[in-house]
Formats: sequence, C-alpha cells, structure tokens
Amino acid sequence: NAGVMQNPRHLVRRRGQEARLRCSPMKGHSHVYWYRQLPEEGLKFMVYLQKENIIDESGMPKERFSAEFPKEGPSILRIQQVVRGDSAAYFCASSPWGASNQPQHFGDGTRLSIL
Amino acid sequence: ILNVEQSPQSLHVQEGDSTNFTCSFPSSNFYALHWYRWETAKSPEALFVMTLNGDEKKKGRISATLNTKEGYSYLYIKGSQPEDSATYLCAFTVSWGKLQFGAGTQVVVTP
Repeated sequence: NAGVMQNPRHLVRRRGQEARLRCSPMKGHSHVYWYRQLPEEGLKFMVYLQKENIIDESGMPKERFSAEFPKEGPSILRIQQVVRGDSAAYFCASSPWGASNQPQHFGDGTRLSIL
Repeated sequence: ILNVEQSPQSLHVQEGDSTNFTCSFPSSNFYALHWYRWETAKSPEALFVMTLNGDEKKKGRISATLNTKEGYSYLYIKGSQPEDSATYLCAFTVSWGKLQFGAGTQVVVTP
C-alpha cells in the first residue's frame, strides 16, 4: 500500500515565479494536511482539506498561498510570486478521516528553494 | 498560540542504555497527543496517538505515558539501539485535524 506521495522532492524557483507542490494521499484517505518547516524551525500547520473542501486554513499566509484538493487528482499547494522567505520544506499528511485520535501519515516532503 | 514544549532538545545515549524525555502541552481542551519518530531524510513516522489520562502505549522497546491533568507525556526507549537514533516529535491536537508540533528531542545512540 503506497504511502503519501509528494512531488517534486526538490523544487527550485526564482523570485516572482509560481511554485506548485503536489500531494497524493494514501489510498482510502480523504483528509489532507499541509505543514511547513522553515529553516531551523519545527513543523507548522498550514491547512487542512477534505475532498473539495477547505476545513481549516488558519495557518496559511494571507497572501500568495492557496491550496486545493479536487474530487479527482492530488492536493495542490500553490505559492504565487515566491519570495526568499518561502524557502522551506513542505510536508503533506493524510488520514482516512479527521478524528483527533487518528494518526496523520506523512510524505517525504518537497524542499523548495528560492533563488 | 498554544505551546508544546519538548525537553531535552537533544540527548546522547550509549547503546543498551534506557532513556526518556518529555513533552508538555496545555492541559485545557485536550483532544489527543501524538508522538512521531523522524529520521533524517525520511518522513515523520507515527508512533502513538494518546487520548485518555493515564494512557500507556507500547511499540517494541518504545513506550509512552500520558498525564492530561498536568499536561505532560513521557516517551521511553528501553535498551537503546543505534537504529533508535532519530528526532522524536510530539504534537498536540489543537482542533479538528490541526496539530501543533513541538521542536523535537534529537536522540543519538552511540555504539
């Protein structure tokens, strides 16, 4: 049973470009979570999505960041007009349902570097 | 902002020795406490999800306890092995689906 798949593993963008990070949850999982790890910091919650719905986006920066989880296909975290401060590791996790007693299963992350 | 604190930040353990470390979290509005093991260049691996005061969970040589009234959890590693070297993260469920992570305890087991 394949785990959470994130791609690309590494992404390099120049300032002002757009970055698209993809996450395919584990089979049977319909809840997806995105976390960000800035350099020298811990994992920080960004957004929680269920198929076609954003449940909690309280950790998303107000501008330039958006996330979606369409009915078909992977979840996408989109960063427009990237800046140097967006350089970080972005992790996706999934669970079969959103109950607090369920573990979230993580992917290997996407390392985003902004030149 | 709810603080999840882990201590120590790092520790070195001799192979065969046992060790433990702490996660402290807000004791009000408790839902669940998660423990993860994170090896370098890999993804965080779920170890335990703990929900009840007094809970004890065990997985091989690793076990965890939970005290929700005073807001702390201990993770124990018995008879440490080099493959136990990793960063151990705890995370507090803030609300439905949202985890607040601690900074982690980095464990290095030397032969």
